[in-house]
Amino acid sequence: KAGVTQTPRYLIKTRGQQVTLSCSPISGHRSVSWYQQTPGQGLQFLFEYFSETQRNKGNFPGRFSGRQFSNSRSEMNVSTLELGDSALYLCASREGDRNNSPLHFGNGTRLTVT
Amino acid sequence: KQEVTQIPAALSVPEGENLVLNCSFTDSAIYNLQWFRQDPGKGLTSLLLIQSSQREQTSGRLNASLDKSSGRSTLYIAASQPGDSATYLCAAGAGSYQLTFGKGTKLSVIP
Repeated sequence: KAGVTQTPRYLIKTRGQQVTLSCSPISGHRSVSWYQQTPGQGLQFLFEYFSETQRNKGNFPGRFSGRQFSNSRSEMNVSTLELGDSALYLCASREGDRNNSPLHFGNGTRLTVT
Repeated sequence: KQEVTQIPAALSVPEGENLVLNCSFTDSAIYNLQWFRQDPGKGLTSLLLIQSSQREQTSGRLNASLDKSSGRSTLYIAASQPGDSATYLCAAGAGSYQLTFGKGTKLSVIP
């Protein structure tokens, strides 16, 4: 099976712009999660989707949003970009609908905001 | 609020040595504990998942243990190799569909 695929791998944006990141989970996986990774804060949970429904959201401002499509692919959007949004954004998928199966991560999208 | 701590932040060992990485968590009401490896510029690779009802899991040279009562997990790496050099992260899973991560231990195995 192909792994979790994230596109694009790298993005450079300027402050105030918006950005959309894409994630294709492992075939058959219906749960998709997003995490932000920075050197200072480490990995922080953004949100989790299952069957097109957001089940949980982390402590991030409303500028961060996401959605999941019927084929389980997911997108996350960040509006009005700030310098502090520069980070590695990681998408992960799991097979089951509970938190008791392994999480499989993609290679991430590196976002740089200038 | 769950907090996960990994000590030390960095570790350097000679090739062939056995080593232990430590992970502690504050809330024992976890579903599972998962260990990951991250290579520079890459995503996370799942190594081992221990369910809350289990005490340990093994995969090849890796063995992970879980002690919920003390809020600790360890990852044991036997006969370390230079290819084991990476950052190792532990994460606690709870009922809210999210994982809470530690900040990782950066391991360097010196040939």
